[in-house]
Amino acid sequence: DAKTTQPNSMESNEEEPVHLPCNHSTISGTDYIHWYRQLPSQGPEYVIHGLTSNVNNRMASLAIAEDRKSSTLILHRATLRDAAVYYCILGRLNTGFQKLVFGTGTRLLVSP
Amino acid sequence: KAGVTQTPRYLIKTRGQQVTLSCSPISGHRSVSWYQQTPGQGLQFLFEYFSETQRNKGNFPGRFSGRQFSNSRSEMNVSTLELGDSALYLCASSLGPRGGNTIYFGEGSWLTVV
Repeated sequence: DAKTTQPNSMESNEEEPVHLPCNHSTISGTDYIHWYRQLPSQGPEYVIHGLTSNVNNRMASLAIAEDRKSSTLILHRATLRDAAVYYCILGRLNTGFQKLVFGTGTRLLVSP
Repeated sequence: KAGVTQTPRYLIKTRGQQVTLSCSPISGHRSVSWYQQTPGQGLQFLFEYFSETQRNKGNFPGRFSGRQFSNSRSEMNVSTLELGDSALYLCASSLGPRGGNTIYFGEGSWLTVV
């Protein structure tokens, strides 16, 4: 299964932008890039996903490299509530059905 | 609308027993998948169901099984429980299996095997 590589942890100050990097050098043409975040004792929360083009939603922006071998999740203004483990995941199609292949994630610490 | 609902939230079982976990997907979602999360292995894909058929399976022993009903609700079963099966079991749903569909997770069922 294709895996992603993320830094183990990152730190940010409140109200500053945060750029969370992800490498996925073995990505295939049909793999979507998904980002989820998880708070302790909770299920993963959907953040954003994309295929080739950059994507924006109310939570974040996703910047995808032209060769698709890396991507960056951008939180425009970090808040204390954004402190979580962020997973960059490839949505891999297998016999036409998608499964998510999780890596170890990045623990984001946000300081006031 | 309601999110993915999993029951029970917490349970304790003894080695050798079996357990059944239940998942109600978001209304209108027809694809349900299950994941296991442990501190050592992280989040791992178990299986995916669509139209009452298992379409995708992860690398887990046959003790792990599941099914999906005509209303898209799903159950997973673990037989002959082992200590290593202690984990957070997560259910996720999406409209369908097409790549790019947003997948939403429930809060999970915490299983402790003693």
